[in-house]
Amino acid sequence: GDSVTQMEGPVTLSEEAFLTINCTYTATGYPSLFWYVQYPGEGLQLLLKATKADDKGSNKGFEATYRKETTSFHLEKGSVQVSDSAVYFCALVSFSGGYNKLIFGAGTRLAVHP
Amino acid sequence: NAGVTQTPKFRVLKTGQSMTLLCAQDMNHEYMYWYRQDPGMGLRLIHYSVGEGTTAKGEVPDGYNVSRLKKQNFLLGLESAAPSQTSVYFCASTQHIGIVGNQPQHFGDGTRLSIL
Repeated sequence: GDSVTQMEGPVTLSEEAFLTINCTYTATGYPSLFWYVQYPGEGLQLLLKATKADDKGSNKGFEATYRKETTSFHLEKGSVQVSDSAVYFCALVSFSGGYNKLIFGAGTRLAVHP
Repeated sequence: NAGVTQTPKFRVLKTGQSMTLLCAQDMNHEYMYWYRQDPGMGLRLIHYSVGEGTTAKGEVPDGYNVSRLKKQNFLLGLESAAPSQTSVYFCASTQHIGIVGNQPQHFGDGTRLSIL
């Protein structure tokens, strides 16, 4: 079945460092891909999305490009801030069992230190 | 605009007790979902609803029931709580526009449930 694999965390960076969180997927066809972010004590919020191959989603300085050749959707940011500390989830839309659903990766915790 | 509101935020139950988690959304969304979040496993779909009066099973429905009597509310029930149901529960909603699944889901802040 469809699945999402993220790099294990935690990822610990200093402020202004470059961030990459790897995400690869297995799916039938070309599903829409998402990155969600979860700040401490809160629910998930959509960070960015891409709905077709070669699309680049971007928001708040974060970017991710839908790469069908490598079935990847890696999250990047050029200069992280302490406020970016959170758990990041990669997800795809899967149609199985008669309905559309989001399939999430396990999440990657990011800790940014001053 | 409150978005998605979950009550309660925390609860401790004893094995065998029952309880209901309430989710309310004020965005007039058609689709609503209940997930559980466990360490290292991301979010897993328990049940979902595509409209008022409809419910359907997700990936991990056993031990849970749901109801959607009003469009804005989606209730998750545990009839006989078990320690394996200790988790953080999230409700989400989304609008149905165009291709279903391309719209973002809006999440509540979660309910932390412990079963002793």
